[in-house]
Amino acid sequence: EIVLTQSPATLSLSPGERATLSCRASQSVSSYLAWYQQKPGQAPRLLIYDASNRATGIPARFSGSGSGTDFTLTISSLEPEDFAVYYCQQRSNWLGFTFGPGTKVDIK
Amino acid sequence: EVQLVESGGGLVQPGGSLRLSCAASGFTFSSYSMNWVRQAPGKGLEWVSYISSSSSTIYYADSVKGRFTISRDNAKNSLYLQMNSLRDEDTAVYYCASVGGSYSQYWGQGTLVTVSS
Repeated sequence: EIVLTQSPATLSLSPGERATLSCRASQSVSSYLAWYQQKPGQAPRLLIYDASNRATGIPARFSGSGSGTDFTLTISSLEPEDFAVYYCQQRSNWLGFTFGPGTKVDIK
Repeated sequence: EVQLVESGGGLVQPGGSLRLSCAASGFTFSSYSMNWVRQAPGKGLEWVSYISSSSSTIYYADSVKGRFTISRDNAKNSLYLQMNSLRDEDTAVYYCASVGGSYSQYWGQGTLVTVSS
């Protein structure tokens, strides 16, 4: 089973600052890693797929990088609507999907 | 516009059963694999089950294997999750989501399942 670890658990930043979120896999997932944003009371929203591809309608301030076991989601300049919880997720053949525990980005 | 609408949630006693449905519209449902993902109150996301477009491939999380059954009816643009032998720890909001390769692209708003005596 592949385990995803996200750090930090909480990131306290101000609007306009840069956010850097990390996701580490216990073994290589190649580039099959996605990032989601979730706000309270809402369903998750796909931000990034296959490590670095922005989903439809996602602003350019969101970017993803990495491959193998280490991945990063970067928000270049935080907007008020970006304060939320962010999850990474991978897919393994035969074993299904796994989510990381999440990183909460809150207002400093 | 893509829409996924879950239904069938509610309060059920431990050991009971419930069947969730997910109605899809705005895309070619029969061409997409689908996931069920759940979220316990105040917790993170947990993948539950996957079904391929033709139902030929099905996966379950270990936590629900043997108790939950995923299925779909492409003629009705619908996805289902039959949940048996429910436990307290199955209490969660259950989301259906379309699968695009290795990720869940579109999500419903979820349906709440509460297992309690």
